[in-house]
Amino acid sequence: AQRVTQPEKLLSVFKGAPVELKCNYSYSGSPELFWYVQYSRQRLQLLLRHISRESIKGFTADLNKGETSFHLKKPFAQEEDSAMYYCALSGLQGAQKLVFGQGTRLTINP
Amino acid sequence: DAGVTQSPTHLIKTRGQQVTLRCSPKSGHDTVSWYQQALGQGPQFIFQYYEEEERQRGNFPDRFSGHQFPNYSSELNVNALLLGDSALYLCASSFMGTGELFFGEGSRLTVL
Repeated sequence: AQRVTQPEKLLSVFKGAPVELKCNYSYSGSPELFWYVQYSRQRLQLLLRHISRESIKGFTADLNKGETSFHLKKPFAQEEDSAMYYCALSGLQGAQKLVFGQGTRLTINP
Repeated sequence: DAGVTQSPTHLIKTRGQQVTLRCSPKSGHDTVSWYQQALGQGPQFIFQYYEEEERQRGNFPDRFSGHQFPNYSSELNVNALLLGDSALYLCASSFMGTGELFFGEGSRLTVL
């Protein structure tokens, strides 16, 4: 069964501090992993996907198949990073059928 | 480009009623997927439409059905509404079922 676990519902850090949002997954094959973000009063949007290996808005995420994790990291948090973050995976069915985690609400304190 | 648009934004129904939600994909997109997001949860995949056919389906009962029109817009129908159907229903579109999913703002359904 496909499953995504985000162990922290809420995460609060100070501006300038490092941020790590945890994501663990369960999937028997080779999944594709994504991070989606929802800023206040905005729609859900793609932040990054592991196959692109890009850094978006200073965020990076490395797929660790041994630990089945895809943690999202940023070295220096900014206030505009406050948002709801969802980790998601897709399998052989393609990138349309995403399995989402419960989400982590990140708050950056000034 | 308005992106993915959904209507209505909010609606209230009573148990046993039927509801239809509508979605227009982003310009240039031909694939539409529907997700249900219960309060405090991540979105859950309902089904995907491409070339006017349901291509994939998540773990939802037959009360949930859909349709895609020749202009790629889509409808989600839910029959015999239950209290547990109260949720935000998200529509997402993409090109040929690949690449980035673009989400709409959702239709919030409340079942009383």
